[in-house]
Amino acid sequence: DTGVSQDPRHKITKRGQNVTFRCDPISEHNRLYWYRQTLGQGPEFLTYFQNEAQLEKSRLLSDRFSAERPKGSFSTLEIQRTEQGDSAMYLCASISGQGNEKLFFGSGTQLSVL
Amino acid sequence: RKEVEQDPGPFNVPEGATVAFNCTYSNSASQSFFWYRQDCRKEPKLLMSVYSSGNEDGRFTAQLNRASQYISLLIRDSKLSDSATYLCVVISNSGYALNFGKGTSLLVTP
Repeated sequence: DTGVSQDPRHKITKRGQNVTFRCDPISEHNRLYWYRQTLGQGPEFLTYFQNEAQLEKSRLLSDRFSAERPKGSFSTLEIQRTEQGDSAMYLCASISGQGNEKLFFGSGTQLSVL
Repeated sequence: RKEVEQDPGPFNVPEGATVAFNCTYSNSASQSFFWYRQDCRKEPKLLMSVYSSGNEDGRFTAQLNRASQYISLLIRDSKLSDSATYLCVVISNSGYALNFGKGTSLLVTP
C-alpha cells in the first residue's frame, strides 16, 4: 500500500490520559498536514510540516497538542491530558512538493475520550 | 466571518437533476480553490481544482467568481453515486494551510 497510513484506526481513552497517533505519508511527499474532523463538520486544519519543519499551527492547537516530524518522513500527533472535547477523527494528509495541491488523506484515527 | 462558508444542505434531488453548490471565501487574496468529495465515514478526496477560467470534468463544472468571492460546483445529470458531502477548499493567507468548508450534503434519490 503506497498511500497515507495512519495508526491506530481507533483509540478509546479515559479523560486525562495521553495519546499519540502516527502518520506515514506517501514516501516522496515532503508536505504533511494534520486535520481534525467532527461529525457534520469539515476537516479543521491543525498543523503543517514541510520536511521536518513545522511551518504553521492553527490556533485550535492548544498547548496540550504537539506534533513532530523528526526526520521529515513519518509524523506523530500527541494529545496530553485528553478531554472529552478532543473526541474526533484525526486525519493526516500529504502532498508532493511540486505545486500539486492534491491532498492525499489517510483513513484517519478515530479518538473517543470517555 | 469564517474563511470558507458553505450551505450545509442537505440537498435532496432526483436522479438526472442538475444541482449547484456555492461556497464563499473571506480572503480576497486567495489564489487556489478546490472541491473535495467525502463519502460517509471515508476520507476526503479531490474532486476537481477550480481555475479562474472555470473548468469542466464530465458532468461536473467548477466556476470561480473573484468579484463576489465565491466558487461554485455544478453537477449535471445527477447519479445515485453522487450522493456525498462536497467540501470547498481554499488555500490560506500563509499559502500553506488548505482550509475546508463544513461541506454540503447531497442526496440523490431514485
